[in-house]
Amino acid sequence: KNEVEQSPQNLTAQEGEFITINCSYSVGISALHWLQQHPGGGIVSLFMLSSGKKKHGRLIATINIQEKHSSLHITASHPRDSAVYICAVLPLGGGADGLTFGKGTHLIIQP
Amino acid sequence: DVKVTQSSRYLVKRTGEKVFLECVQDMDHENMFWYRQDPGLGLRLIYFSYDVKMKEKGDIPEGYSVSREKKERFSLILESASTNQTSMYLCASSLPLSGRGDTQYFGPGTRLTVL
Repeated sequence: KNEVEQSPQNLTAQEGEFITINCSYSVGISALHWLQQHPGGGIVSLFMLSSGKKKHGRLIATINIQEKHSSLHITASHPRDSAVYICAVLPLGGGADGLTFGKGTHLIIQP
Repeated sequence: DVKVTQSSRYLVKRTGEKVFLECVQDMDHENMFWYRQDPGLGLRLIYFSYDVKMKEKGDIPEGYSVSREKKERFSLILESASTNQTSMYLCASSLPLSGRGDTQYFGPGTRLTVL
C-alpha cells in the first residue's frame, strides 16, 4: 500500500522566512502533485511534477524520484501563504483509484 | 478556467436522513471523484467515476453510493446519514489518467454536519 508522509505537520514562521515542506512516498510514482487549501476549504493545484524542479512565483517544487521525496519551498513567505499544503502521488500504472494524499502541512505565516 | 461546483457549502442533516451532494464540472472531464476530509486523516477517496454510469469504490465507500447519469454531474448519496459522516466533502474532476497523471480540479467543498 502506498504511503505518503508529509513533514512537518504544523509550521509557524515569521513573514519573510524561507519555508520548506517535505513529502516522502513508498512506491514508484508517475506524478506528484502539490495542492494548497485555504481556510474555507477550496483546494487549488500548485504543481504537478514527474521529475526535476518547477517554479511559479515564490513557490518552488522539487522531486527526487530515486529517493522518493519531494519538497515544496516558499521564498519570502507572506501571511497570505498561510494554508494547508497537501502532497499527492499517482502510482506507476495510473493506480486504480487515482491519487494518494498526504495528511497535509498546516502553515501559518505571522506578520 | 476549469470550474467545479458543489451544490452546498454548508449542510446540516439529521441522523437517518437521505442526503444528496451534487457536483458539476464544466470542462468535459471524464474522471470525477468524491473525497472526505477529516482532521488528522487528510483526504480519503470515497468513490470515483471514469465515465457516465461507471463507478468504482475508493478507500471508504461504506455508507455511501454515487450516481453519474451525465458526464458533467457526479452525485454522492448518503443513504441513511450517521453522525460519523459529519465531515468536509470535496469533489474533483480530471481528464483520463495517463501514465503521467493529470491534475485534479477541486470544488469548494461541502461541510456536512449530521446531528
